[in-house]
Amino acid sequence: NAGVTQTPKFQVLKTGQSMTLQCAQDMNHEYMSWYRQDPGMGLRLIHYSVGAGITDQGEVPNGYNVSRSTTEDFPLRLLSAAPSQTSVYFCASSYRLGLAGDTQYFGPGTRLTVL
Amino acid sequence: GEDVEQSLFLSVREGDSSVINCTYTDSSSTYLYWYKQEPGAGLQLLTYIFSNMDMKQDQRLTVLLNKKDKHLSLRIADTQTGDSAIYFCAEKGRNNRLAFGKGNQVVVIP
Repeated sequence: NAGVTQTPKFQVLKTGQSMTLQCAQDMNHEYMSWYRQDPGMGLRLIHYSVGAGITDQGEVPNGYNVSRSTTEDFPLRLLSAAPSQTSVYFCASSYRLGLAGDTQYFGPGTRLTVL
Repeated sequence: GEDVEQSLFLSVREGDSSVINCTYTDSSSTYLYWYKQEPGAGLQLLTYIFSNMDMKQDQRLTVLLNKKDKHLSLRIADTQTGDSAIYFCAEKGRNNRLAFGKGNQVVVIP
C-alpha cells in the first residue's frame, strides 16, 4: 500500500490563481480530511468527507472547495488563491470515523506559497 | 468547541526522560492522541488513550490522562536523537472530529 499520497509537494501561486491539491489513498478508507498547518497554530480542519459523494465543512473552509467522487480521491481546490492561504496542507484518511482507536493516516503534505 | 493547549518548546539531553503536557477542554472527548511530526514530514500516530483509562504504556512511551483536570501527558523514556520532532496532542470530541494542539517542539541534545 502506498498509504496517503499528496501532489504536488511544493507549489508557488500568484494571488488570484487557482489550483487543485491532489490527495489519494489506497487503503479503502471511508473518511478523508484536509488540514492546514500554520506556525504556532497547530492543524486546522478545512473540509472532510465521510464517504464518496459526501463532504462537509471543517473549522476553516472559506476559500476552499472539495469533492469526493471516488473513495480513493479527495482533491482540494483553491478557486482564487490569496496570500493568507500560504500554508502546509495535509490530507488524512481513516477507515471509519468514531470507532475504537480509529487511526488517521497523514500524507506527506503540500507546501503552498501564494505571492 | 474543543480547545487543546500545549507548551511550545522542550530541550532534553539524550538518555534523559522527556515529558510533554497538554490540556483540553472537551470533557466528552472519547479518545486522546499523540502524534509525532518529523521535519518535512506528515503526522505519525504515536499512541492513543481511551478516555476511561488513566495510563497507557507502550515501550518507551507512557501516556497519563487526568480526566478531572483534562490534562494529558506523554513521557518518553531514554530519549534518543531520533525523538527530535514536533509532538501534537489531539482529542476526538463529540462530533468525532480531531482537534489538535499547537504542537510542542522537542530537541534532543546529544
